[in-house]
Amino acid sequence: DAGVTQSPTHLIKTRGQQVTLRCSPKSGHDTVSWYQQALGQGPQFIFQYYEEEERQRGNFPDRFSGHQFPNYSSELNVNALLLGDSALYLCASSLPGTGLEAFFGQGTRLTVV
Amino acid sequence: GENVEQHPSTLSVQEGDSAVIKCTYSDSASNYFPWYKQELGKGPQLIIDIRSNVGEKKDQRIAVTLNKTAKHFSLHITETQPEDSAVYFCAELSGNTPLVFGKGTRLSVIA
Repeated sequence: DAGVTQSPTHLIKTRGQQVTLRCSPKSGHDTVSWYQQALGQGPQFIFQYYEEEERQRGNFPDRFSGHQFPNYSSELNVNALLLGDSALYLCASSLPGTGLEAFFGQGTRLTVV
Repeated sequence: GENVEQHPSTLSVQEGDSAVIKCTYSDSASNYFPWYKQELGKGPQLIIDIRSNVGEKKDQRIAVTLNKTAKHFSLHITETQPEDSAVYFCAELSGNTPLVFGKGTRLSVIA
């Protein structure tokens, strides 16, 4: 079992650009959540996908959007990048329909310059 | 979950000693309390979790205790080793709410 895999591992973008991050969940998990982790802070919830729909959303602007595919993999899209979007973006998959036993990927380090 | 406070923010212990990290929460409906270990350059790793119908859970050198009345839970690491050095996060959720994380504790185990 490869666990949760994310791609890419590192990314550098310019202000105003758009970015897409990808996540494949752990086998047996169908619920995917995305988190933003600033340096020295705990992960902050962005949104959660279940059955290809956004089920819950944290306090993030509409520039942050996502998608879940039939195979449960997911994408996070961020438009009109700001310097403050620089962070580690984490994907977590969890037990079906729940946030229980969430396993995280290694994250994507996004740097906006 | 609403809010989780985690203490201390940094902790240094001698190898072989015990380490204790504490978290308090505010949502009385919280019913799941995991702990994560995050090493440099990696994602958080689930190391132990406890549900609200249990007061204590152990896994080798790691244990978690939960006091629902006082709304706090703690991580206990015994016989610490240098490889235990990392940032530890507590988290909680209630029902179908997302995980809410504490701000983390940087644990340093000094050989």
